[in-house]
Amino acid sequence: NAGVTQTPKFQVLKTGQSMTLQCAQDMNHEYMSWYRQDPGMGLRLIHYSVGAGITDQGEVPNGYNVSRSTTEDFPLRLLSAAPSQTSVYFCASSYSREGAYEQYFGPGTRLTVT
Amino acid sequence: SQKIEQNSEALNIQEGKTATLTCNYTNYSPAYLQWYRQDPGRGPVFLLLIRENEKEKRKERLKVTFDTTLKQSLFHITASQPADSATYLCALDNNFNKFYFGSGTKLNVKP
Repeated sequence: NAGVTQTPKFQVLKTGQSMTLQCAQDMNHEYMSWYRQDPGMGLRLIHYSVGAGITDQGEVPNGYNVSRSTTEDFPLRLLSAAPSQTSVYFCASSYSREGAYEQYFGPGTRLTVT
Repeated sequence: SQKIEQNSEALNIQEGKTATLTCNYTNYSPAYLQWYRQDPGRGPVFLLLIRENEKEKRKERLKVTFDTTLKQSLFHITASQPADSATYLCALDNNFNKFYFGSGTKLNVKP
């Protein structure tokens, strides 16, 4: 199993550009999520999905869109990049073990918006 | 407001000693609490989960306690080794599939 994969590893965008961060998992997990991690702020939940066709907002959803057409893929779209979106982005997947989710994280995408 | 607090100062300890990390939270009623390890430049790795009806959980050299009255979890690493040096994050769920993380505590284990 490859686990959770994310592409690209690094990205530099100009203000106003759009892009999609890719996330895929091969563990057949129903739950997937996107976080951003900023220095001193910990991980903050952007969007999450409890299954194909179902998504919901997390703590900091503004400026980001998601969709979940398959169990395996959960792309994160930045609609119009802003410097405030400079961060490290992590995708995670998990399954429910007796009502609790253990999350498996990808390696992250480091995004810089200039 | 809801908060998850972990000591932002690094914890420096000598190899072989027990490291104890603290996670305090306010205005949450989590069904369970999790601890993760994060190495520089990598994603977090799940370590342990403890449910609200459990007082203590152990896994090898790791021990977690959960006091829902104090709203606190303690994470212990016994017989610590330099390889245990990393940042440790605690995370809560809000009973609605949303997870909230603390900012983490960096542990340095010196040989």
